[in-house]
Amino acid sequence: QSVLMQPPSVSGAPGQRVTISCTGGSSNIGAGYDVHWYQQLPGTAPKLLIYTNNNRPSGVPDRFSGSKSGTSASLAITGLQAEDEADYYCQSYDDALSGSVFGGGTKLTVL
Amino acid sequence: QVTLKESGPGLVKPTQTLTLTCTFSGFSLTTTGTRVSWIRQPPGKALEWVARIDWDDDKFYNTPLRTRLTISKDTSKNQVFLTMTNMDPVDTGTYYCAHHGNFRDLRAFDIWGQGTMVTVSS
Repeated sequence: QSVLMQPPSVSGAPGQRVTISCTGGSSNIGAGYDVHWYQQLPGTAPKLLIYTNNNRPSGVPDRFSGSKSGTSASLAITGLQAEDEADYYCQSYDDALSGSVFGGGTKLTVL
Repeated sequence: QVTLKESGPGLVKPTQTLTLTCTFSGFSLTTTGTRVSWIRQPPGKALEWVARIDWDDDKFYNTPLRTRLTISKDTSKNQVFLTMTNMDPVDTGTYYCAHHGNFRDLRAFDIWGQGTMVTVSS
């Protein structure tokens, strides 16, 4: 079981908006550590999508946005496209484990 | 342009020791603030951070795996190594090395290698 909890799956129709939650605790997100998000397309390595809670690396469309509040964080995707179908992971740091931790991943299906 | 590429044996037997190599370009592990991590992913499962090495040779390990792991570097060859002892079938998966981005907490992985598959089987 992952330290950071994500829904196993979400889905949406093209053009819609979806959100993916990432719930942690007092030793990770709640302790103030930054949250980062990754997109993993089938058969490929993960790609950094959002860093430091709400920042997009160069080249990532502004359809992707992140937020953080308390012990949770969220990834929002607007204007859903077929190419967004992938697995999404959140990541932070955990004091108790003294290391980086990932969420269990969320599979996004574009209907 | 930062790139990383993992290499390894592909198949190891249970109880054997695994050694993986990450060969990188576009940055130097002698530059202050530079970090490289290993992350693994069992087939169909989530990502798991394994170990990290910093420019000043500080090393950090996933707590449950700590006794089995050694991370090291050869800055002259731009390589990072991961050794994992007493391999078990549950260690089967894709192993990635990743560069840490120069963001606020220095813990986001901004560039990943393509990964190398490791199968543990007799």
